Amino acid sequence: EAGVTQFPSHSVIEKGQTVTLRCDPISGHDNLYWYRRVMGKEIKFLLHFVKESKQDESGMPNNRFLAERTGGTYSTLKVQPAELEDSGVYFCASSLGPNQPQHFGDGTRLSIL
Amino acid sequence: AQSVTQLGSHVSVSEGALVLLRCNYSSSVPPYLFWYVQYPNQGLQLLLKYTSAATLVKGINGFEAEFKKSETSFHLTKPSAHMSDAAEYFCAVRAFTGGYNKLIFGAGTRLAVHP
Repeated sequence: EAGVTQFPSHSVIEKGQTVTLRCDPISGHDNLYWYRRVMGKEIKFLLHFVKESKQDESGMPNNRFLAERTGGTYSTLKVQPAELEDSGVYFCASSLGPNQPQHFGDGTRLSIL
Repeated sequence: AQSVTQLGSHVSVSEGALVLLRCNYSSSVPPYLFWYVQYPNQGLQLLLKYTSAATLVKGINGFEAEFKKSETSFHLTKPSAHMSDAAEYFCAVRAFTGGYNKLIFGAGTRLAVHP
């Protein structure tokens, strides 16, 4: 069984540009989560999808961040325009049900110059 | 609201020595607790979880953790460290905000194992 896949593994962009991160969850997992870790700080929750619906987006930092989940399969997280403070590692996780353990991808390391 | 505190951002042990990584939690409801490990250039891997069953939880790679309600602790231990245990370890509690399932993480503890 393939795990959670994230693409790209590393992205370097300039301030003001747009970046889109992608996450492919484990097949059959309806629940998909985004987290991020900025330098030296805790991993923090961003949002939770159940199928294609946003169940909880309380962790999204501002309206420069837009998450989508097309057809309840893969998800994208777009940052537009990117700011310096957006640098960090963005993790995606998926679970079969809301009470099941979350399985994480390898993360996307985002560097804003 | 739930929170997690990991004591010690860096821990160093000798190969073969006891590993003890500390985690204290705060929760107004019976907590679900997790330990995750991140090896270099990899994602987070679930080590073990506590979901209100046995208080001593055994995980992968010889790790275990004990839930102590009176101390609000969920410390991770391994009797004998191996070089391959060098990684960053994260304690997490599941937050039930409106019934939703998100994880709240501690700041992480980086474990170094030296010969």
